[in-house]
Amino acid sequence: ELKVEQNPLFLSMQEGKNYTIYCNYSTTSDRLYWYRQDPGKSLESLFVLLSNGAVKQEGRLMASLDTKARLSTLHITAAVHDLSATYFCAVEGTGTASKLTFGTGTRLQVTL
Amino acid sequence: AAGVIQSPRHLIKEKRETATLKCYPIPRHDTVYWYQQGPGQDPQFLISFYEKMQSDKGSIPDRFSAQQFSDYHSELNMSSLELGDSALYFCASSLIREGLYEQYFGPGTRLTVT
Repeated sequence: ELKVEQNPLFLSMQEGKNYTIYCNYSTTSDRLYWYRQDPGKSLESLFVLLSNGAVKQEGRLMASLDTKARLSTLHITAAVHDLSATYFCAVEGTGTASKLTFGTGTRLQVTL
Repeated sequence: AAGVIQSPRHLIKEKRETATLKCYPIPRHDTVYWYQQGPGQDPQFLISFYEKMQSDKGSIPDRFSAQQFSDYHSELNMSSLELGDSALYFCASSLIREGLYEQYFGPGTRLTVT
């Protein structure tokens, strides 16, 4: 059974600082996703990572994927308050229309 | 661009009642997924349908059933509701037949069981 571990669970950081969220998964997968969720809201897609060594950047967020290590990272550069949210990684299973298995989520709080 | 539509957005039911949640996928999308997210939890997969056939199944209680209709919308039927069924229920859709596997999530239905 696919297991996805994410750490840290909670991250409090000051504006302007850098930090990295880690996502480890237990079995081979073709696709890894990062989502953002504001309290009580839906899941907003941030990145789709499809191959080993994939790196994608959007604003202050950068995601990477190492399929050999079964590890993805979400790096935050010079955090701003607007980035405060919960971030989930999710790994897709094999087969057609397979489910996403989510990590536990990282609740990010950026303080002024 | 059109997104996934879910109705109702909020639903309050009593224990042992029945609830029906509806999901309208993005136009042309052929695959629908249902997820349950309890308070402070990560989303848990319930069930998926591809071209109106059940494709994958997660930890969906026997009290729940779902189907995808000819117009590709889907309904999640929940019977004998329990307090623990209170959660956010998300529907997502994708376009598998064109190799577009990314799942796009709807706004969710917040179900409260009292």
